[in-house]
Amino acid sequence: IEMTQSPATLSVSPGESATLSCRASQSFSSKLAWYQQKPGQAPRLLIFGASTRATGTPARFSGSGSGTEFTLTISSLQSEDFAVYFCQQYDNWPVTFGGGTKVEIK
Amino acid sequence: VQLVESGGGLVKPGGSLRLSCAASGFSFSDYYMSWIRQAPGKGLEWISYVGTNNNYRNYADSVKGRFTISRDNAKDSIFLEMNNLGDDDTAVYYCAGNPAVPIKWYFDFWGRGTLVTVSS
Repeated sequence: IEMTQSPATLSVSPGESATLSCRASQSFSSKLAWYQQKPGQAPRLLIFGASTRATGTPARFSGSGSGTEFTLTISSLQSEDFAVYFCQQYDNWPVTFGGGTKVEIK
Repeated sequence: VQLVESGGGLVKPGGSLRLSCAASGFSFSDYYMSWIRQAPGKGLEWISYVGTNNNYRNYADSVKGRFTISRDNAKDSIFLEMNNLGDDDTAVYYCAGNPAVPIKWYFDFWGRGTLVTVSS
């Protein structure tokens, strides 16, 4: 399954919300995860099961979607949220990742 | 929780390299462990996993027959033996862990990665 993320870069002002898209080449249920990666750091699991926040993920992060369209919404962006975000499907082997969306400060 | 990769570096095409990943802060033997790589400017690519006791191993087609994954639970470590390296293998290599029981194929823990550069 190919995963396509859009946009590649999203420029957002602190305090605003951001909506990131992840599209799959074929439909599946809810086996989708989102990760955050900051420069020089390990990726961090944010969301699994399309909408379940991982331990420690702030409530301003929310995931939704099913089928081929999935969304990560970050409400009221904080300075620590500017990073690259990846989606991953784990419904089908091999597991596959999107190319990432960079959320940068506007 | 910490995963620390090592062993990356510059290698000539056709050469070999062995990566290591040392784990701490979680029950290592309860996790499947994977290697995932990211080529420059590209997305993440899962390349291999090993079961909790070296019982299961799987490889992406891109590395099958050239790479071998293994683990040592006594040392809380996994390894990736890479042979016949080509330019396409240039990437940052991450180790990552996912729970074994029940099995979940998203990755709870990741390391910071080690860079492998294949170049003459």
